[in-house]
Amino acid sequence: GQSLEQPSEVTAVEGAIVQINCTYQTSGFYGLSWYQQHDGGAPTFLSYNALDGLEETGRFSSFLSRSDSYGYLLLQELQMKDSASYFCAVKPGRRALTFGSGTRLQVQP
Amino acid sequence: SQTIHQWPATLVQPVGSPLSLECTVEGTSNPNLYWYRQAAGRGLQLLFYSVGIGQISSEVPQNLSASRPQDRQFILSSKKLLLSDSGFYLCAWSVALALYEQYFGPGTRLTVT
Repeated sequence: GQSLEQPSEVTAVEGAIVQINCTYQTSGFYGLSWYQQHDGGAPTFLSYNALDGLEETGRFSSFLSRSDSYGYLLLQELQMKDSASYFCAVKPGRRALTFGSGTRLQVQP
Repeated sequence: SQTIHQWPATLVQPVGSPLSLECTVEGTSNPNLYWYRQAAGRGLQLLFYSVGIGQISSEVPQNLSASRPQDRQFILSSKKLLLSDSGFYLCAWSVALALYEQYFGPGTRLTVT
């Protein structure tokens, strides 16, 4: 089966940098995705890492280490609108994604 | 551009009543389709996914079922709802070769009373 671990809550201030970690155990692995979900809304896709290293998309970056079964999402220049839940998800093979339980990020002024 | 529709947005149903939630996708052909359920403050639980018309994979044994009568239509059903069926139901689609990038509908918040 698959299991993912991420912190349940993270708090940071506006303008800061925050890192949300995700460790996974899976019988097969094709890549790690990240999604953002605001309260009451639907998840939206942020990034995907299939290979080791850092992928940058504007203020957001995502990192993957396949040998460590570990990844993280890095949010820079935090804004109040970044307050949301962030989910990592693994693609274990040809099956559908398996999502983590989510990290609730609270950005304070 | 692609659009995904889900309805209704909210639903309150008594225990034992039937359920039918519908999801349609526009602007793409032969998408992979997914149904998820999310309990309050929790992650996404995959319920069903489909790679084509009439092809449904069930991830969790339960009193729910899914059907895909048309290429871009995905329906979630139940004959008799349980209290534990309450939650936020999300439909999503992806391109077959990029299932790591899924696009979600607005969701249906179901309360079973």
